Amino acid sequence: EIVLTQSPATLSLSPGERATLSCRASQSISSYLAWYQQKPGQAPRLLIYDASNRAAGIPARFSGSGSGADFTLTISSLEPEDFAVYYCQQRNNWPPAFTFGPGTKVDIK
Amino acid sequence: EVQLVESGGGLIQPGGSLRLSCAASGFTFSTYAMYWVRQAPGKGLEWVSGINGSGGKTNYADSVKGRFTISRDNSKNTLYLQMNSLGAEDTALYYCAKGESSYSSSWPDLWGQGTLVTVSS
Repeated sequence: EIVLTQSPATLSLSPGERATLSCRASQSISSYLAWYQQKPGQAPRLLIYDASNRAAGIPARFSGSGSGADFTLTISSLEPEDFAVYYCQQRNNWPPAFTFGPGTKVDIK
Repeated sequence: EVQLVESGGGLIQPGGSLRLSCAASGFTFSTYAMYWVRQAPGKGLEWVSGINGSGGKTNYADSVKGRFTISRDNSKNTLYLQMNSLGAEDTALYYCAKGESSYSSSWPDLWGQGTLVTVSS
């Protein structure tokens, strides 16, 4: 079973700063990685899929990179609405299954 | 408007059964895979089960295999999750999510607001 590790657990930043979130897989997952944002009381929202593709309607300040086992989500300049929990997710093509990382909370410094 | 609305959650005793439903609208339901993902109170996300667009292929997390059954009625645009032998560890907010294609390994790109299942005596 592939395990995802996210770091840091919490990231305290100010609006306008750059956020760099890490997700590491226990073995290579090629580019089969997605990132989600979840705000309190809301459902998760897909931000990035296949490691680096922005989902529909996602602002350009969100970008994803990486392949193999190491991945990064970058928010170039934090807006007030970006303070939330971010999860990475990997997928197996066969048998189809998904695993989530434990999440990184981005809060206001 | 593209929308997923879950229902059927509630308080259930350990060992009991519950069936969740997810009503889809605003898209051609039968052409997309669908999923159930849960989130225990204050915890992270856990994928539970998936089903392809036609309903012919289903998959489950090991934690629910043999106890939960996912199904869909494409004529009613509705996804289901039959949950049996429930335990305290199944207490969570259950989200329904739509895949980006009919394949049950496609990324979940739309989520409902969830329905809460509480297993307690």
